[in-house]
Amino acid sequence: QQQVKQSPQSLIVQKGGISIINCAYENTAFDYFPWYQQFPGKGPALLIAIRPDVSEKKEGRFTISFNKSAKQFSLHIMDSQPGDSATYFCAARGGANNLFFGTGTRLTVIP
Amino acid sequence: GAVVSQHPSRVICKSGTSVKIECRSLDFQATTMFWYRQFPKQSLMLMATSNEGSKATYEQGVEKDKFLINHASLTLSTLTVTSAHPEDSSFYICSARMGGGLSHEQYFGPGTRLTVT
Repeated sequence: QQQVKQSPQSLIVQKGGISIINCAYENTAFDYFPWYQQFPGKGPALLIAIRPDVSEKKEGRFTISFNKSAKQFSLHIMDSQPGDSATYFCAARGGANNLFFGTGTRLTVIP
Repeated sequence: GAVVSQHPSRVICKSGTSVKIECRSLDFQATTMFWYRQFPKQSLMLMATSNEGSKATYEQGVEKDKFLINHASLTLSTLTVTSAHPEDSSFYICSARMGGGLSHEQYFGPGTRLTVT
Protein backbone atom coordinates (compact mmCIF):
# COMPACT_ATOMS: atom_id res chain seq x y z
CA GLN A 1 0.00 0.00 0.00
CA GLN A 2 1.43 3.33 -1.06
CA GLN A 3 1.47 5.52 2.04
CA VAL A 4 2.27 8.68 0.11
CA LYS A 5 0.75 9.33 -3.30
CA GLN A 6 2.55 11.64 -5.68
CA SER A 7 1.56 13.23 -8.96
CA PRO A 8 2.27 13.82 -11.74
CA GLN A 9 4.57 11.01 -12.72
CA SER A 10 6.35 13.26 -15.17
CA LEU A 11 6.31 16.99 -15.84
CA ILE A 12 7.67 19.15 -18.62
CA VAL A 13 8.02 22.86 -17.94
CA GLN A 14 9.44 25.72 -19.96
CA LYS A 15 12.43 27.56 -18.55
CA GLY A 16 11.19 30.33 -16.28
CA GLY A 17 7.90 28.59 -15.59
CA ILE A 18 6.52 27.19 -12.36
CA SER A 19 6.80 23.47 -11.62
CA ILE A 20 4.18 22.06 -9.26
CA ILE A 21 4.29 18.58 -7.77
CA ASN A 22 1.59 17.28 -5.48
CA CYS A 23 1.51 14.69 -2.73
CA ALA A 24 -1.20 13.27 -0.52
CA TYR A 25 -1.16 11.06 2.54
CA GLU A 26 -3.59 9.32 4.85
CA ASN A 27 -1.71 8.71 8.06
CA THR A 28 -2.28 11.65 10.39
CA ALA A 29 0.60 10.46 12.57
CA PHE A 30 3.12 11.63 9.97
CA ASP A 31 5.02 14.51 11.52
CA TYR A 32 7.58 15.66 8.98
CA PHE A 33 7.38 16.09 5.22
CA PRO A 34 10.63 16.43 3.24
CA TRP A 35 11.18 16.75 -0.47
CA TYR A 36 14.17 15.18 -2.14
CA GLN A 37 15.86 15.86 -5.46
CA GLN A 38 17.60 13.00 -7.22
CA PHE A 39 19.79 13.17 -10.29
CA PRO A 40 20.41 10.01 -12.37
CA GLY A 41 22.84 7.65 -10.70
CA LYS A 42 22.93 9.66 -7.49
CA GLY A 43 21.32 9.36 -4.10
CA PRO A 44 18.49 11.68 -3.11
CA ALA A 45 19.38 15.02 -1.59
CA LEU A 46 17.16 16.91 0.81
CA LEU A 47 15.68 19.95 -0.88
CA ILE A 48 13.25 21.42 1.60
CA ALA A 49 11.04 20.11 4.40
CA ILE A 50 8.04 21.19 6.43
CA ARG A 51 6.27 20.26 9.64
CA PRO A 52 2.48 19.98 9.81
CA ASP A 53 2.08 23.01 12.06
CA VAL A 54 3.22 25.28 9.22
CA SER A 55 1.21 25.97 6.07
CA GLU A 56 4.01 27.21 3.88
CA LYS A 57 7.78 27.22 3.77
CA LYS A 58 9.93 28.99 1.22
CA GLU A 59 13.61 28.58 0.51
CA GLY A 60 14.83 30.47 -2.51
CA ARG A 61 12.90 29.29 -5.57
CA PHE A 62 11.41 26.32 -3.72
CA THR A 63 8.19 26.52 -1.74
CA ILE A 64 6.23 23.84 0.10
CA SER A 65 2.53 24.40 0.61
CA PHE A 66 0.94 22.23 3.27
CA ASN A 67 -2.77 21.64 3.79
CA LYS A 68 -3.20 19.66 6.98
CA SER A 69 -6.98 19.30 6.77
CA ALA A 70 -6.77 17.95 3.23
CA LYS A 71 -3.68 15.89 4.03
CA GLN A 72 -1.93 17.25 0.99
CA PHE A 73 1.31 19.05 0.35
CA SER A 74 2.98 20.34 -2.74
CA LEU A 75 6.30 21.58 -4.04
CA HIS A 76 6.47 24.68 -6.18
CA ILE A 77 9.61 25.50 -8.12
CA MET A 78 9.56 29.08 -9.28
CA ASP A 79 11.54 30.29 -12.31
CA SER A 80 12.34 26.69 -13.23
CA GLN A 81 15.75 26.15 -14.81
CA PRO A 82 17.17 23.34 -16.96
CA GLY A 83 19.44 22.47 -14.04
CA ASP A 84 16.32 21.65 -12.01
CA SER A 85 15.66 18.70 -14.32
CA ALA A 86 15.69 15.72 -11.98
CA THR A 87 13.38 13.33 -10.20
CA TYR A 88 11.64 14.72 -7.15
CA PHE A 89 10.34 12.61 -4.30
CA CYS A 90 8.05 13.71 -1.53
CA ALA A 91 8.21 11.79 1.71
CA ALA A 92 6.55 11.59 5.08
CA ARG A 93 8.02 10.52 8.36
CA GLY A 94 6.07 8.06 10.47
CA GLY A 95 6.52 5.61 13.27
CA ALA A 96 10.08 4.66 14.20
CA ASN A 97 11.11 7.78 12.31
CA ASN A 98 10.99 5.89 9.01
CA LEU A 99 10.45 7.75 5.78
CA PHE A 100 7.71 6.78 3.35
CA PHE A 101 8.46 7.98 -0.16
CA GLY A 102 6.15 9.01 -2.93
CA THR A 103 6.51 7.41 -6.34
CA GLY A 104 8.55 10.26 -7.77
CA THR A 105 8.09 12.93 -10.43
CA ARG A 106 10.48 13.26 -13.31
CA LEU A 107 10.80 16.96 -14.08
CA THR A 108 12.19 18.17 -17.38
CA VAL A 109 12.76 21.88 -17.84
CA ILE A 110 13.20 22.77 -21.47
CA PRO A 111 15.19 25.87 -22.49
CA GLY B 1 28.52 18.68 6.93
CA ALA B 2 26.42 15.52 7.15
CA VAL B 3 28.12 13.62 4.34
CA VAL B 4 27.43 9.97 3.70
CA SER B 5 29.59 7.92 1.38
CA GLN B 6 29.09 4.54 -0.21
CA HIS B 7 31.60 2.14 -1.64
CA PRO B 8 31.74 0.89 -4.27
CA SER B 9 29.69 3.16 -6.50
CA ARG B 10 29.32 0.41 -9.07
CA VAL B 11 29.90 -3.31 -8.88
CA ILE B 12 29.41 -6.16 -11.30
CA CYS B 13 29.45 -9.67 -9.96
CA LYS B 14 28.66 -13.13 -11.18
CA SER B 15 25.57 -14.99 -10.13
CA GLY B 16 26.11 -16.97 -6.94
CA THR B 17 28.79 -14.73 -5.50
CA SER B 18 28.45 -12.32 -2.58
CA VAL B 19 28.91 -8.57 -2.66
CA LYS B 20 29.54 -6.18 0.22
CA ILE B 21 28.51 -2.54 0.10
CA GLU B 22 29.81 -0.07 2.66
CA CYS B 23 28.03 2.99 3.97
CA ARG B 24 29.95 5.55 5.99
CA SER B 25 28.96 8.73 7.75
CA LEU B 26 32.01 10.91 7.23
CA ASP B 27 31.49 13.80 9.61
CA PHE B 28 28.95 12.65 12.15
CA GLN B 29 28.06 9.66 14.24
CA ALA B 30 25.07 7.75 12.93
CA THR B 31 23.13 5.85 15.53
CA THR B 32 20.75 4.63 12.86
CA MET B 33 21.37 3.70 9.26
CA PHE B 34 18.86 2.72 6.64
CA TRP B 35 19.22 0.64 3.50
CA TYR B 36 17.01 1.26 0.49
CA ARG B 37 16.63 -0.38 -2.85
CA GLN B 38 15.58 1.49 -5.97
CA PHE B 39 14.62 -0.03 -9.30
CA PRO B 40 14.88 2.08 -12.46
CA LYS B 41 12.39 4.92 -12.55
CA GLN B 42 10.86 3.80 -9.29
CA SER B 43 10.77 5.05 -5.75
CA LEU B 44 13.01 4.09 -2.86
CA MET B 45 11.93 1.01 -0.96
CA LEU B 46 13.17 0.63 2.60
CA MET B 47 14.87 -2.72 3.09
CA ALA B 48 16.06 -2.49 6.67
CA THR B 49 16.94 -0.24 9.55
CA SER B 50 20.02 -0.82 11.62
CA ASN B 51 21.06 0.63 14.93
CA GLU B 52 24.67 0.55 16.00
CA GLY B 53 25.47 -2.56 17.94
CA SER B 54 22.17 -4.32 17.44
CA LYS B 55 20.51 -6.50 14.84
CA ALA B 56 18.90 -4.88 11.86
CA THR B 57 15.15 -4.66 11.52
CA TYR B 58 14.04 -5.86 8.12
CA GLU B 59 10.97 -4.75 6.24
CA GLN B 60 8.37 -7.30 5.29
CA GLY B 61 9.41 -9.34 2.29
CA VAL B 62 13.13 -8.67 2.64
CA GLU B 63 15.16 -11.83 3.23
CA LYS B 64 17.46 -11.21 6.17
CA ASP B 65 19.62 -14.21 5.30
CA LYS B 66 20.18 -12.88 1.83
CA PHE B 67 20.76 -9.25 2.70
CA LEU B 68 23.11 -9.25 5.66
CA ILE B 69 23.43 -5.94 7.45
CA ASN B 70 26.09 -5.09 9.97
CA HIS B 71 26.27 -1.80 11.84
CA ALA B 72 29.43 -2.36 13.81
CA SER B 73 30.30 1.25 14.54
CA LEU B 74 28.69 4.67 14.66
CA THR B 75 30.14 5.53 11.26
CA LEU B 76 29.91 2.31 9.28
CA SER B 77 27.20 -0.02 8.12
CA THR B 78 27.60 -2.77 5.56
CA LEU B 79 25.12 -4.56 3.36
CA THR B 80 26.17 -7.94 2.00
CA VAL B 81 24.14 -9.44 -0.80
CA THR B 82 24.74 -13.17 -0.49
CA SER B 83 24.47 -15.62 -3.37
CA ALA B 84 23.50 -12.81 -5.68
CA HIS B 85 21.18 -13.44 -8.60
CA PRO B 86 20.34 -11.24 -11.61
CA GLU B 87 17.09 -10.16 -9.96
CA ASP B 88 19.16 -8.59 -7.18
CA SER B 89 20.53 -6.12 -9.71
CA SER B 90 19.43 -2.71 -8.48
CA PHE B 91 20.51 0.62 -7.08
CA TYR B 92 21.19 0.33 -3.36
CA ILE B 93 21.14 3.51 -1.30
CA CYS B 94 21.96 3.96 2.35
CA SER B 95 21.07 6.83 4.63
CA ALA B 96 22.25 7.78 8.08
CA ARG B 97 20.67 9.63 10.95
CA MET B 98 22.53 11.31 13.78
CA GLY B 99 20.35 10.47 16.70
CA GLY B 100 17.01 9.18 17.84
CA GLY B 101 15.40 12.56 18.20
CA LEU B 102 12.52 13.49 15.95
CA SER B 103 14.38 16.48 14.61
CA HIS B 104 17.23 14.56 13.04
CA GLU B 105 17.25 14.27 9.29
CA GLN B 106 18.32 11.30 7.21
CA TYR B 107 21.30 11.96 4.98
CA PHE B 108 21.59 9.82 1.90
CA GLY B 109 24.62 8.27 0.30
CA PRO B 110 25.27 8.47 -3.45
CA GLY B 111 24.12 4.91 -4.05
CA THR B 112 25.70 1.70 -5.35
CA ARG B 113 24.73 0.23 -8.69
CA LEU B 114 24.83 -3.56 -8.46
CA THR B 115 24.72 -5.64 -11.61
CA VAL B 116 24.61 -9.40 -11.30
CA THR B 117 25.47 -11.29 -14.48
